This record gives sequence, structure tokens and C-alpha cells, in this order.
Amino acid sequence: DIQLTQSPSFLSASVGDRVTITCRASQGISSYLAWYQQKPGKAPNLLIYTASTLQSGVPSRFSGSGSGTEFTLTISSLQPEDFATYYCQQLNSYPRAFGQGTKVEIK
Amino acid sequence: EVLLVESGGGLVKPGGSLRLSCAASGFTFSSYSMNWVRQAPGKGLEWVSLISSSSNIIYYADSVKGRFAISRDNAKNSLYLQMTSLRAEDTAVYYCVREINDYGDYRRFDPWGQGTLVTVSS
Repeated sequence: DIQLTQSPSFLSASVGDRVTITCRASQGISSYLAWYQQKPGKAPNLLIYTASTLQSGVPSRFSGSGSGTEFTLTISSLQPEDFATYYCQQLNSYPRAFGQGTKVEIK
Repeated sequence: EVLLVESGGGLVKPGGSLRLSCAASGFTFSSYSMNWVRQAPGKGLEWVSLISSSSNIIYYADSVKGRFAISRDNAKNSLYLQMTSLRAEDTAVYYCVREINDYGDYRRFDPWGQGTLVTVSS
């Protein structure tokens, strides 16, 4: 089974900061990686799929890159509504594993 | 509007059973694979099970294999998860999620239902 490791697990940042989250896969997954945002008490929300395709309606300050085993999610200028937990997910094979999550909190 | 609404969660004793349902609307349910994903309190997301559009492909996480059964009724636009031999570690919010797979690529989980809480406790 493919494992995903996100780093960091916790991130403290200020409004306006550029934020980068990394997701590493235990084996190559081509570009079959998605990113989700989850706020407390809510279901996850799709941000990016196929590593770099922005989901419709998601602000352009979110971007994704990578292929193979290393991927990044970047928020170019952190906004108050972006404080949440972010998860990566591989869709190359089953089980459709998730990373352990990165919690982004206000500095 | 594409909508997934779960139901059937609740409190159950260890060793007990529960059946979750997910009602889909706003899209052609019979054309999509569907998944269950769970999240234990304060923890991350855990994929549980997949069923293909015609029910001919089914996968389970090792943690639930042999205890949970996924099924669907395309005529009723509904997805199900029959859970048996429940354990304390099955306590979680269970989400119903559509899997989109455009042209074999562009794979993603979207949308997610609001979730239903299952609590396994004596």
C-alpha cells in the first residue's frame, strides 16, 4: 500500500504569509494527487486534483505542483478563511490513502 | 446541486451492527464510483471502502475487511455501508463521497456528504 507523509504537521503563520505544505508518497503515483481543506466540524472540501488542477471556485492563491513522489500545496498569501487543516490524497491505486494532515493556525 | 446526505449513525455497543445510508441527488448516481471515508474524533481522514458504478468492483481498508459491506441501489440513488462486529476504534464520522474519474485521469473525491457520527461504546 502507498503511504503519504505530509510536512509539517502543524504550521503557524500570519495573514499575508506564503505557505507551503509538502506531501511525499512512499512510491510513485504519477500526478494522481489531490488536496483537501477541512474546517472544524465540516466535511473536507476539494482544492486541487491531478497535482495542479485548481477545482472550480477555489481562489487562485492556492496552487499545487509535483509528480512522482513529491508534491506541494502553496497558498500565496494566507487569508483569515484559510486557517484550517489540509490533507493530501493519492488516487493512483487502492487504498486511496490520505496524508496525516497539516493544521494551519494563526500566528 | 450535487448533494450527498448520510443517515443511520448513532450509538451502538461493541460487537453490534449498524447500517449507514447515503442519499444522492443532483447527478447521475449510476455513472459514478462511490466511497466511504471516516474520521475518528480529533484524527485524520481514513478511506474505508469503494464500490464501482455497477457494483462489480469493491475494495475495503484492511481495518474493516470482513466486518463491513458496501452496497448501492442505483434505482434509489443510494449508497449503503453495513457495519458488523463494531469496535470502539470504529467510532468516527462517516462520510459518503463521490469519486470523479474523467477520461481515466483527473481523479478526485467530490463532493463529500456532511457525515454521520457512529459511536461504539458500552
